This record gives sequence, structure tokens and C-alpha cells, in this order.
Amino acid sequence: NAGVTQTPKFQVLKTGQSMTLQCAQDMNHEYMSWYRQDPGMGLRLIHYSVGAGITDQGEVPNGYNVSRSTTEDFPLRLLSAAPSQTSVYFCASSYQRHTDTQYFGPGTRLTVL
Amino acid sequence: AQSVTQLDSQVPVFEEAPVELRCNYSSSVSVYLFWYVQYPNQGLQLLLKYLSGSTLVKGINGFEAEFNKSQTSFHLRKPSVHISDTAEYFCAGEVFGNEKLTFGTGTRLTIIP
Repeated sequence: NAGVTQTPKFQVLKTGQSMTLQCAQDMNHEYMSWYRQDPGMGLRLIHYSVGAGITDQGEVPNGYNVSRSTTEDFPLRLLSAAPSQTSVYFCASSYQRHTDTQYFGPGTRLTVL
Repeated sequence: AQSVTQLDSQVPVFEEAPVELRCNYSSSVSVYLFWYVQYPNQGLQLLLKYLSGSTLVKGINGFEAEFNKSQTSFHLRKPSVHISDTAEYFCAGEVFGNEKLTFGTGTRLTIIP
């Protein structure tokens, strides 16, 4: 099993550009989530999904979109990048619920100029 | 108010000394509590979790935590630390009624040789 994979590992964007951060898992997990990590602020939940076709907002959803068309994939879309979105982004998955062990991907470091 | 609070942003400890990393939670947080570890340039990994039952929870790498309802705490302890324990440690909990975890701001553990 590859676990949770994320691409790209690094990305630099200009303000206003859009892009998609990819996340995939091969563990047949139902629950998937996206977090951003900023210095001194820990991890903050952006969006999450409890299964294919179902998504919901987390703590900081503004400026981000998600979809869950398959169990395996949970892409995060930045609609119009802003410098405030400079962060490290982590995708995570767990068996069924958020209280099951969450497995984290290696992260994507995004810089918005 | 912060749902999960980690009072210490940095904790330096001599190698082979004991360590305690503090975590307190507010009344809006349920009794589902977690400790995750993040090694440099990696994603997060579950150390241990408390969902119910015994209040003393043992995790990986010799760590343990004790759930204390009267003090609303879930402190992480290890009797003797090693250089390889150098990492950032995050406490997390579920906010009542939400299908999501909220994370503390993290404690950076530095082991002094």
C-alpha cells in the first residue's frame, strides 16, 4: 500500500492563479480531510468528506473547493490564489470516522507570491 | 476560546530525562482525545488516542497519556527521551457534534544530548 499520496510536493503560484492539489489513498478509507499548517497555529481543517459524493466545510474553507467523486481521490482546488494561502497542506484519511486513526500524506508546500 | 490548548510551544529536555507535554481541553470538546507526532519534513503520525475505558493510554515509542476529566487534561509523558523523539507534538480533540478534529498549536520537543 502506498498509503496517502499528495502531489505536488512544492508549488509556487502567483496571486490570482488557480491550481489543484491532489490527494489519493489506497486503503479504501471513507473519511478524508484537508488541513493547512501555519507556524504557531497548528493544523486547521479546510474541508472533509465522509464518503464519495459527500463533502463539508471545516474551520477555514474560504478560497478552497473540494469534490469526492471516488473513494480514493480528494482533490483540493484553490480558485484564485492569495498570499494568505501560503502554507503547508496535508491530506489525511481514516477508515470511517474522524476518530479512527488518521493517516497523513507527506504534505504540499505552497507559496503564493 | 481555544478548544484544545497546548500551553508550551517549545520544550527542551536532556537526553534520557523524563518529559511531560501538556494538553488541556475545553468543555466544548468531547472525550475523544489524540496525540499526534510530526517528525521534521513529514506528515503527522498517531501516537495514541483516548476514546473510552482506561484513563491511562499507552502509545507507540514508549509514550503514554492520562485522561483527567476533573482537570480537563490529557498530558503526554515519556519516562526517558531519546534524540529520535525530537519532533513536534500535537494534541487534538473532537468538538461535540462535529465530524471533525480540532488540533492544538503544537509543542516542539527538543532533545539536548
